[in-house]
Amino acid sequence: ETGVTQSPTHLIKTRGQQVTLRCSSQSGHNTVSWYQQALGQGPQFIFQYYREEENGRGNFPPRFSGLQFPNYSSELNVNALELDDSALYLCASSPLDRNTEAFFGQGTRLTVV
Amino acid sequence: AQSVAQPEDQVNVAEGNPLTVKCTYSVSGNPYLFWYVQYPNRGLQFLLKYITGDNLVKGSYGFEAEFNKSQTSFHLKKPSALVSDSALYFCAVRDPLMFSGGYNKLIFGAGTRLAVHP
Repeated sequence: ETGVTQSPTHLIKTRGQQVTLRCSSQSGHNTVSWYQQALGQGPQFIFQYYREEENGRGNFPPRFSGLQFPNYSSELNVNALELDDSALYLCASSPLDRNTEAFFGQGTRLTVV
Repeated sequence: AQSVAQPEDQVNVAEGNPLTVKCTYSVSGNPYLFWYVQYPNRGLQFLLKYITGDNLVKGSYGFEAEFNKSQTSFHLKKPSALVSDSALYFCAVRDPLMFSGGYNKLIFGAGTRLAVHP
């Protein structure tokens, strides 16, 4: 186990709704990244938070937003859900050290119907 | 643009035989390379990484990987496969030139499904 926990594990939402996913990072890790993994694909970088600010973003629209809290935990918010948002959402935490790998949580499976 | 390619969607190998899962990359500067494994309904588990130094990297569960700069490859290997190795394997690269202020973006390949048959 990596020490990165995500909640909930599974979620079903209706198109147009909003969703919030949560992540607790591993102790001592101050950087949190979020990835979207569609079925049959590799994870795609959504964005990263460091010192409670977004400091990097992938090719995702503004309806994907997030927060990082003082204890380094994080939330991913998605507004106006679309069917294509159905995916496994992965949270990864890491320290501020380029030589250290990222540690992933078990993911949240989001289904949009 | 940085990219990672895993040319095989699936690799089949008999238990006890050696296995290789291929990965090639394209990145500016010296790459930081990673292999992760994903079991059904689970997140990604770290296997090994190449940062610098010896081109042969040893990791968890008997896996190793060989970094080849001239061929821009980072193939995952194991001398003797186990049925329990059956899973989805992802190669990823981090461009060190992009690492500033904690920026830690990983670029993943599409994944290779490894099936080890008894």
